[in-house]
Amino acid sequence: KQEVTQIPAALSVPEGENLVLNCSFTDSAIYNLQWFRQDPGKGLTSLLLIQSSQREQTSGRLNASLDKSSGRSTLYIAASQPGDSATYLCAGTLREGGSEKLVFGKGTKLTVNP
Amino acid sequence: ETGVTQTPRHLVMGMTNKKSLKCEQHLGHNAMYWYKQSAKKPLELMFVYSLEERVENNSVPSRFSPECPNSSHLFLHLHTLQPEDSALYLCASSRQRLAGGVATGELFFGEGSRLTVL
Repeated sequence: KQEVTQIPAALSVPEGENLVLNCSFTDSAIYNLQWFRQDPGKGLTSLLLIQSSQREQTSGRLNASLDKSSGRSTLYIAASQPGDSATYLCAGTLREGGSEKLVFGKGTKLTVNP
Repeated sequence: ETGVTQTPRHLVMGMTNKKSLKCEQHLGHNAMYWYKQSAKKPLELMFVYSLEERVENNSVPSRFSPECPNSSHLFLHLHTLQPEDSALYLCASSRQRLAGGVATGELFFGEGSRLTVL
């Protein structure tokens, strides 16, 4: 069964620091990868989607990469700000039991201190 | 504003009550999803509807009953729930792939309905 691991589970950094969040899959047979942000008590906001033919995506200070061969993705946040504080979840689309599913990690809780 | 609206945002119900959660999307998508988010657990996929047809039922107890009357609306009917069903219920939508099957495009989520079962 596909499992998604996000490391670290929690991270606290000072404002301005560059940081990397990690996501890995037990089964590398994923064909797209999506990063989300979730604020406390709220829904998920899509940040970046890496399609099957892509290796990375960039949006502003965010850069996500996907290495299918190793089943790993990273989310790079440059010059972090207190407003970046949230839980970041990765989710991969894969085939399981003849259907396609989006499998989520538990998330990394990020705190950026002013 | 993601284009996916969920109501109510908060719901408290007793174990014998019957209530419904509603989701509406204004994105022109044709696949909709219900997810359950419990504390310290990954999001759990409950149901998937593609072109108003249920294509996924992830071993969800029958006390949860989904309904998708059209591609813009999705309901989750609740009755005789248990306290362990208390969670954040998230609705999402996406565009179905042209190749068929369940949509694998970008997912857009609503704000969620926080359910507490007493």
